[in-house]
Amino acid sequence: QPVLTQPPSVSGAPRQTVTISCTGTSSNIGAGFDVHWYQQLPGTAPKLLIFANTNRPSGVPDRFSGSKSGTSASLAITGLQAEDEADYYCQSYDNSLSASVFGGGTKVTVL
Amino acid sequence: EVQLVESGGGLVKPGGSLRLSCAASGFSFRRHNMHWVRQAPGKGLEWVASISSGGSYINYADSLKGRFTVARDNVKNSMSLEMNSLRVEDTAVYYCAREEGVRSTSLDSWGQGTLVTVSS
Repeated sequence: QPVLTQPPSVSGAPRQTVTISCTGTSSNIGAGFDVHWYQQLPGTAPKLLIFANTNRPSGVPDRFSGSKSGTSASLAITGLQAEDEADYYCQSYDNSLSASVFGGGTKVTVL
Repeated sequence: EVQLVESGGGLVKPGGSLRLSCAASGFSFRRHNMHWVRQAPGKGLEWVASISSGGSYINYADSLKGRFTVARDNVKNSMSLEMNSLRVEDTAVYYCAREEGVRSTSLDSWGQGTLVTVSS
């Protein structure tokens, strides 16, 4: 079982907003470790989408935003587009495991 | 341009061994921590191991300790993953990834992955 918990799927119509949660514990997100988000399009390698909770790498549209509070983090996609259909993963560090950890992934479907 | 190219994947029998390589180019390899991440067919991402920029600090996922060994060569700009006593459940695409390291611990560049299939 993944250490970080994400909903298996979310969906929305074009131009709507969807939010993906990433729930951790006091050993990872709650301990203050950064959360990063990755987008994986079908058949491709993951791509960094959000780093250090809220920051977008160059080239990532501002429709993608991240937040973090307590033992959880969230990724929001506003103005959903067909090209946003992908799997999304959160990642953090867990100090009880001394390991990097991923969420189980969330499949975003554009209706 | 940052490039990471994995190689060495293939079909291996349970109990066998395999050595994966990751060739890096387009950046100062010796300045970055590096990671291996795997993805079983139809499943999510699983962190496998990391190695510090100088190679002194190595971490493994608990479930893999003792079977997998990560190493790097900062002269040849490459990283390896030695996998022993392979199990069917080790079947996955194995990605190498660069840790950004300045602003965050995020993995900002990924290879295309190499498929390891463990089957009799």
